[in-house]
Amino acid sequence: QSALTQPASVSGSPGQSITISCTGTSSDIGGYNYVSWYQQHPGKAPKLMIYMVTNRPSGVSNRFSGSKSGNTAALTISGLQAEDEADYSCYSHATKVFGTGTKVTVL
Amino acid sequence: EVQVVGSGGDLVQPGGSLRLSCADSGFTFSNSWMSWVRQAPGKGLEWVANIKADGSEKYYVKSVEGRFTVSRDNTKNSLYLQMNSLGAEDTATYYCGREFYGAYDYWGQGMLVTVSS
Repeated sequence: QSALTQPASVSGSPGQSITISCTGTSSDIGGYNYVSWYQQHPGKAPKLMIYMVTNRPSGVSNRFSGSKSGNTAALTISGLQAEDEADYSCYSHATKVFGTGTKVTVL
Repeated sequence: EVQVVGSGGDLVQPGGSLRLSCADSGFTFSNSWMSWVRQAPGKGLEWVANIKADGSEKYYVKSVEGRFTVSRDNTKNSLYLQMNSLGAEDTATYYCGREFYGAYDYWGQGMLVTVSS
């Protein structure tokens, strides 16, 4: 099973909004709502940011939101902050496949 | 407070074996599916294996089938990954994680496995 496709990098200035896409197929993203997003700082374990496409776990800032359209899911970070600089990965539980990962840079 | 503490990462020679462990507390381990996820140096995350709450079902990514075995001991709130016939392609940081609505909400700190002569 191939990895889900994400842009290698996305950048934005503090306060701006950015969106990270995650493209799959009708067998994973498009067919099921078990899509989640993870934030990972260097040398640290991943942290769950969004589950089941749009749900935020307790303790995760409401600046993070998820959505899905067809075979593409998206993570939006609004009000970008310095601490948001990290790697972000999507995941489809239907096929147990992660995305290729996106490095977010805060300019 | 939830704690997921991993152990067992090490340097091992090609063809060798290693056993990773995760000790979990602060959540109902015996009711939870658990997974192993790995990350090769500089690469993305890769799901490796998972095991049902009662241990009756186990699934593996194709590249480790027949070489890796996932198991658990619910009396000790512990998860294990026995890795045999290790190759350079298995070099990675290995994480254990609890499954939660098709996602992973609790993660161990990561265990580095290096396969090299």
